[in-house]
Amino acid sequence: GNSVTQMEGPVTLSEEAFLTINCTYTATGYPSLFWYVQYPGEGLQLLLKATKADDKGSNKGFEATYRKETTSFHLEKGSVQVSDSAVYFCALPLQGAQKLVFGQGTRLTINP
Amino acid sequence: EPEVTQTPSHQVTQMGQEVILRCVPISNHLYFYWYRQILGQKVEFLVSFYNNEISEKSEIFDDQFSVERPDGSNFTLKIRSTKLEDSAMYFCASSDGSGWGYTFGSGTRLTVV
Repeated sequence: GNSVTQMEGPVTLSEEAFLTINCTYTATGYPSLFWYVQYPGEGLQLLLKATKADDKGSNKGFEATYRKETTSFHLEKGSVQVSDSAVYFCALPLQGAQKLVFGQGTRLTINP
Repeated sequence: EPEVTQTPSHQVTQMGQEVILRCVPISNHLYFYWYRQILGQKVEFLVSFYNNEISEKSEIFDDQFSVERPDGSNFTLKIRSTKLEDSAMYFCASSDGSGWGYTFGSGTRLTVV
């Protein structure tokens, strides 16, 4: 079945640093791919998504490209801010189902 | 922007007690879900609900759990006799069925003591 593997955290960076959080997936076919973010004390918010190979999702300065050759959907941001501190989850739908399968989450802390 | 609303935000209960977690999904969504996140762990699927019945459930969703949509707007998760290991953040979500139009609530943190 479909599954997703995320890089282990926590990740700590200084403000304005470049961010990459790795996500690789195993899937039958080409499902949509998602990044969710969970800010401290809040719920899950959809950060960005991509629905087919070579699509690039982007939002709030974050980007991720759906790469079928490497089965990856890495999250990147060129210059992080303190307000980006959160837990980031990669996710995809389980094959044939409405439900989402989540990666283990990566806690990101940005220091000023 | 439409929201999924969950209440309460935090509930503390004694082991063996029944709890009901409440959710108001987005009004024109058709699919409803509960997910669980034990502290520091993955977000796990519990159950999906469509057309007034459970469409899928995980192995976590045993006989102690039940869901209901009692009045066309609320969507509830009941845990009949809570255990310590039920302590977690519970997220409600709804979707429009497109496969990627999910919206999550802010969660209910359940603490079983």
